[in-house]
Amino acid sequence: QSALTQPASVSGSPGQSITISCTGTAGDVGGYNFVSWYQQYPGKAPKLMIYDVSNRPSGVSNRFSASKSGNTASLTISGLQAEDEADYYCSSYTSSSTLDVVFGGGTKLTVL
Amino acid sequence: EVQVLESGGGLVQPGGSLRLSCAASGFTISNYAMSWVLQAPGKGLEWVSGVGSSGGYTYNADSVKGRFTISRDDSKNTLYLQMNSLRVEDTAVYYCAKSKAGRPRWYFDLWGRGTLVTVSS
Repeated sequence: QSALTQPASVSGSPGQSITISCTGTAGDVGGYNFVSWYQQYPGKAPKLMIYDVSNRPSGVSNRFSASKSGNTASLTISGLQAEDEADYYCSSYTSSSTLDVVFGGGTKLTVL
Repeated sequence: EVQVLESGGGLVQPGGSLRLSCAASGFTISNYAMSWVLQAPGKGLEWVSGVGSSGGYTYNADSVKGRFTISRDDSKNTLYLQMNSLRVEDTAVYYCAKSKAGRPRWYFDLWGRGTLVTVSS
């Protein structure tokens, strides 16, 4: 089972918007609305930012939004702030016989 | 305070064993699905094993089937990962994670700080 495909890095200036893509298959992202996104700072544990494709947990800024089209999910961060600089991972339930949850390879967001 | 705290990591030789523990506080682990997620040095996240809330059904990645066993002791409110036949490639930080919902909605809304497992001769 391959990891979901994310760009290795994205960047943007403060105030701008960026979008991180997450491409899977019909057996994971495309087949189920069980996609989530995590933010991770270096040396820290991940934090849940989005679940059920587009829902934000309580306390997560509404600058974070997400969607899905076909086999690709997307995370958009608007009004970029310096504190958004982190690694972002997507995740999905998978019907694969080899595991239950698949993560993306991660995207390093740099705020210029 | 709601939290999970991992312990039990360390240096072990290839072929050796370790048991990781995840002590939960502020919530009852038997009410939630729980998982172990690893992160190799400089790499991404990888789900390893999970246990459901009801019935205690367990799920494992093929990469650890037959070697790792997830379990929980409800009386101690603690999750475990028994790791046998360890390989160099198992070297990683192992996170204990609570799922917001049950399978297949594996959404990890509470993570520990992680415990480092190093497999090396």
